Amino acid sequence: GAVVSQHPSRVICKSGTSVKIECRSLDFQATTMFWYRQFPKQSLMLMATSNEGSKATYEQGVEKDKFLINHASLTLSTLTVTSAHPEDSSFYICSARKVSGNTIYFGEGSWLTVV
Amino acid sequence: TQLLEQSPQFLSIQEGENLTVYCNSSSVFSSLQWYRQEPGEGPVLLVTVVTGGEVKKLKRLTFQFGDARKDSSLHITAAQPGDTGLYLCAGDRTGTASKLTFGTGTRLQVTL
Repeated sequence: GAVVSQHPSRVICKSGTSVKIECRSLDFQATTMFWYRQFPKQSLMLMATSNEGSKATYEQGVEKDKFLINHASLTLSTLTVTSAHPEDSSFYICSARKVSGNTIYFGEGSWLTVV
Repeated sequence: TQLLEQSPQFLSIQEGENLTVYCNSSSVFSSLQWYRQEPGEGPVLLVTVVTGGEVKKLKRLTFQFGDARKDSSLHITAAQPGDTGLYLCAGDRTGTASKLTFGTGTRLQVTL
């Protein structure tokens, strides 16, 4: 089956620094990847849609200058949390849609803790 | 505004009991998916329903899509501790899997 991998799985960073999370589709090409944020005991909230070769589309209320998304290839999207604050601490999950078909595959998630 | 409301939010039952989780919306979806998520992991797809009135079975799990494609239910028969987890419904309004809207989630705990 299709595999989506996220790295790192856990990261701790200091307040004010930036941290990058990678989302890779390991055995398929994905023109579209999605980034979600999930706070403890809550559901997934879509942050942005990442399109290969073009700018990401952000959901209402998500700061595009704070959450930088780059989708430089058909197998890699990155989310960079800039000037991180403790309130950015969350579980970040990506998903990828195969070039052919409409099936979406989820990554394992990345825990971000800002101290 | 949360487009998909799930109920109940939390359910604690004993092994062997049956349960139903509901996913309701005022919006029409071209398809609806159910996921199960364990702590610290990404959601795992259980089923996708596409046709209004469709019923799908996955072992002890029965999924139904409402006739109007606005709601869905998940019924678990004879729950087991391994069923414990967060159950999420997610709707696709466009038919192209361009954007999934997740439900509020139902946390299920099955004890011995």
